[in-house]
Amino acid sequence: ELKVEQNPLFLSMQEGKNYTIYCNYSTTSDRLYWYRQDPGKSLESLFVLLSNGAVKQEGRLMASLDTKARLSTLHITAAVHDLSATYFCAVDTGDGGATNKLIFGTGTLLAVQP
Amino acid sequence: DAGITQSPRHKVTETGTPVTLRCHQTENHRYMYWYRQDPGHGLRLIHYSYGVKDTDKGEVSDGYSVSRSKTEDFLLTLESATSSQTSVYFCAISDSWGGKLFFGSGTQLSVL
Repeated sequence: ELKVEQNPLFLSMQEGKNYTIYCNYSTTSDRLYWYRQDPGKSLESLFVLLSNGAVKQEGRLMASLDTKARLSTLHITAAVHDLSATYFCAVDTGDGGATNKLIFGTGTLLAVQP
Repeated sequence: DAGITQSPRHKVTETGTPVTLRCHQTENHRYMYWYRQDPGHGLRLIHYSYGVKDTDKGEVSDGYSVSRSKTEDFLLTLESATSSQTSVYFCAISDSWGGKLFFGSGTQLSVL
């Protein structure tokens, strides 16, 4: 059974600092997704990572995937208050192909303090 | 929210009653999904559809059924609601197999 663990679960950081959120998963998969959720709102897709070594960047966020280590990271550079949200990683249960059945991590609540 | 409408937005019901949640999309996307979100669990897939009348079970399908008679509508039915089904329910769509998901605004369901 695929398990997805994120850490930390809660992250309080100061504006201007850098930090990394980690997403570990328990069985082989080569498709990983990152989503953002603002309080009381829906989820928004951030990144889709489809192969080992994939790296995607948008603004102050950069995501990477290491399928051998079963690890994805979401790196935040020079945080700003607008990045405060809950971040979820999700892993496709398929090995070598998509199944469309995603297992989500429990989320990392990021609070950026001025 | 990418042309996705969930209804109702909020519902309070009693244990043992049937409840139907509706997801309507205007994007003509083939794939549609129902997730539930609970504290400490992230999102969990209930059912999904890969075309009209084609559906499959997800991770937590017990107590739920779905129907898709038109491309644009995906219905989630709780056959006999229980308190454990109190949750926020999200509909999602995608236009490709394994593609990113676009989520609706969610339905807050409380079963008393």
